[in-house]
Amino acid sequence: ETGVTQTPRHLVMGMTNKKSLKCEQHLGHNAMYWYKQSAKKPLELMFVYNFKEQTENNSVPSRFSPECPNSSHLFLHLHTLQPEDSALYLCASSQADHRGELFFGEGSRLTVL
Amino acid sequence: GENVEQHPSTLSVQEGDSAVIKCTYSDSASNYFPWYKQELGKRPQLIIDIRSNVGEKKDQRIAVTLNKTAKHFSLHITETQPEDSAVYFCAALLEPETGNQFYFGTGTSLTVIP
Repeated sequence: ETGVTQTPRHLVMGMTNKKSLKCEQHLGHNAMYWYKQSAKKPLELMFVYNFKEQTENNSVPSRFSPECPNSSHLFLHLHTLQPEDSALYLCASSQADHRGELFFGEGSRLTVL
Repeated sequence: GENVEQHPSTLSVQEGDSAVIKCTYSDSASNYFPWYKQELGKRPQLIIDIRSNVGEKKDQRIAVTLNKTAKHFSLHITETQPEDSAVYFCAALLEPETGNQFYFGTGTSLTVIP
C-alpha cells in the first residue's frame, strides 16, 4: 500500500470503552500528525510527532493519548470519551525538515454514544 | 500560535463563473500557505500552495495570491466546473524549532451549479 492509511474507518464506542485509532504511512516521511475535524470548525491540530518525538500537544484532554512507536506508525488511544468527541480524526504525514505537503489519511469517523 | 480565518463559509457559483476564497492569518512568521480540497467523504488533498517569497502562483484554472503585509491570501478558481464542488481549506505553516505546525481555516463549501 502507498500513502497514509487509517484504521478503523468507522468506530462507535461508549463513554466507558477503550479503543485505539491506527495510522500508517508508506511515504518515508518523518513527521506525523493527528487532526480533529468537526462540522463547521477548522481542522484542529491535536498532536505532532517529529522523528518519533512528540513536539506538540495543543491542550488536548488526557482522554486522548498518542503513541508513535516509529516514524511510520501513529496511534491515538481513546479512553472515557465524551459525546462531543465525536468527529472525523485525520492522520497526516509530511517531511519535518522542510516546508512540504501534508498527506492525509481517509480518516476515522468516531461516534461516542 | 497562529489563527487562520477563512471566508466565505459557503459559496455557490454558476458553472463557468469564477470563485474566490479569502484567508487571513495572524502570525507574520508563517511562511507557507497551502490550499486543500476535500470532496465529500474523501481526504483533504493539496491543490496549490504558495511560499512567502512569492506574490502569486497559477496552475491552470486555479491561482493563489499572497499579501504578506496585510497577512492575507486568496484562492481563485476560474471557469468553474461541477467537479470543483468541494470544501476548500486554507492553511498557514509555522516552523517553530519543534517542527512543522499547519493551522487551517474553517473551510469553504463551494457548489458549482451546472
